[in-house]
Amino acid sequence: QKEVEQDPGPLSVPEGAIVSLNCTYSNSAFQYFMWYRQYSRKGPELLMYTYSSGNKEDGRFTAQVDKSSKYISLFIRDSQPSDSATYLCAMMYNNAGNMLTFGGGTRLMVKP
Amino acid sequence: GAVVSQHPSWVICKSGTSVKIECRSLDFQATTMFWYRQFPKQSLMLMATSNEGSKATYEQGVEKDKFLINHASLTLSTLTVTSAHPEDSSFYICSASEGGRAVEQFFGPGTRLTVL
Repeated sequence: QKEVEQDPGPLSVPEGAIVSLNCTYSNSAFQYFMWYRQYSRKGPELLMYTYSSGNKEDGRFTAQVDKSSKYISLFIRDSQPSDSATYLCAMMYNNAGNMLTFGGGTRLMVKP
Repeated sequence: GAVVSQHPSWVICKSGTSVKIECRSLDFQATTMFWYRQFPKQSLMLMATSNEGSKATYEQGVEKDKFLINHASLTLSTLTVTSAHPEDSSFYICSASEGGRAVEQFFGPGTRLTVL
């Protein structure tokens, strides 16, 4: 079993839809949870990160962490064709080690 | 801010040759840099972690003599693939973090290596 599981998709939605992307993990020691967006043949771009459980909102993006269920989500409101990319969740044990453990990524396609 | 560049963006080489990839942090001091490889439609696999002025720490299964990493300054790390073979063909991505902003790793645009 992988430490971080993510449905590979592809997930296809119409423009304007609310998108829900999710990851599950097995190691309760993870404390920092990140979401990255990666366009084809480009490096990942950090969207947002959260520490421990709770919600964080940034514009159209909302990240949720439920440590009791070992489940994290990224919601995208009013999705746009430009949101079409692969979304990677990543996790870190602590602020000192800096090593990220990535999920496999979910490919999202937003159709106009 | 927080821009990381990589050079070259793509390279094609013959089997047996060595290839050097540079990773630079353009507007911050990268105390730690990471090197990943990514196969098509797969996630990133961490190869090694390097701190400025120290030897790199390699992940299990990564040959340190084949993938030479040098982090000589706070803005530059290099990855040299020695005696490259077709199975080394991949997308190599570096990331960098700055002390005090450790949870934020900023990724370079990647280097696509094709070994013929």
